[in-house]
Amino acid sequence: DAGITQSPRHKVTETGTPVTLRCHQTENHRYMYWYRQDPGHGLRLIHYSYGVKDTDKGEVSDGYSVSRSKTEDFLLTLESATSSQTSVYFCAISDRDGFSPLHFGNGTRLTVT
Amino acid sequence: DQQVKQNSPSLSVQEGRISILNCDYTNSMFDYFLWYKKYPAEGPTFLISISSIKDKNEDGRFTVFLNKSAKHLSLHIVPSQPGDSAVYFCAASSNTGKLIFGQGTTLQVKP
Repeated sequence: DAGITQSPRHKVTETGTPVTLRCHQTENHRYMYWYRQDPGHGLRLIHYSYGVKDTDKGEVSDGYSVSRSKTEDFLLTLESATSSQTSVYFCAISDRDGFSPLHFGNGTRLTVT
Repeated sequence: DQQVKQNSPSLSVQEGRISILNCDYTNSMFDYFLWYKKYPAEGPTFLISISSIKDKNEDGRFTVFLNKSAKHLSLHIVPSQPGDSAVYFCAASSNTGKLIFGQGTTLQVKP
């Protein structure tokens, strides 16, 4: 299994509070991704990174920001959590962009009350 | 708009029989297709992939078929086993490299 650790695994927070989710990899892969999984929508890309300090938006990026200061860490921040951001968040890594499968972490279940 | 669609939310088959999971896409620029399997409380795991230059790829009990003219791919599992019970996601990417996922199909294999 690819060495991907997501923390925390579960979190409950209140509307309006900031939340940061962490993804840590030990594979030294260049590409890292944040997805959210919701019923009826599958997995949707939030943000991705193609190198240290190099990030870009995905299809559902509103309300989220990311940072990557080291190859191994990719942080996802909800600046002011809303109930619509209740979801399961998955981090993924890849050594190439395109024609290469992503390897996923075990997810963080976030509940915003 | 959903560029990758899995129109069957669930599928139930008997152990030993064939499971066929279907996926349709709308973007003709997609050139790489993948299937992932997901168990509860775990992340998706890569199962099998196919590039647009092929129409079939096999890996053990799993075969993926690609029909580019119909913009359709399918995953065949033969024979199906109870341990195959999971949610299956198809995904596609173009030269941007970003994977677009379908909604998922829950497969139940009954002993």
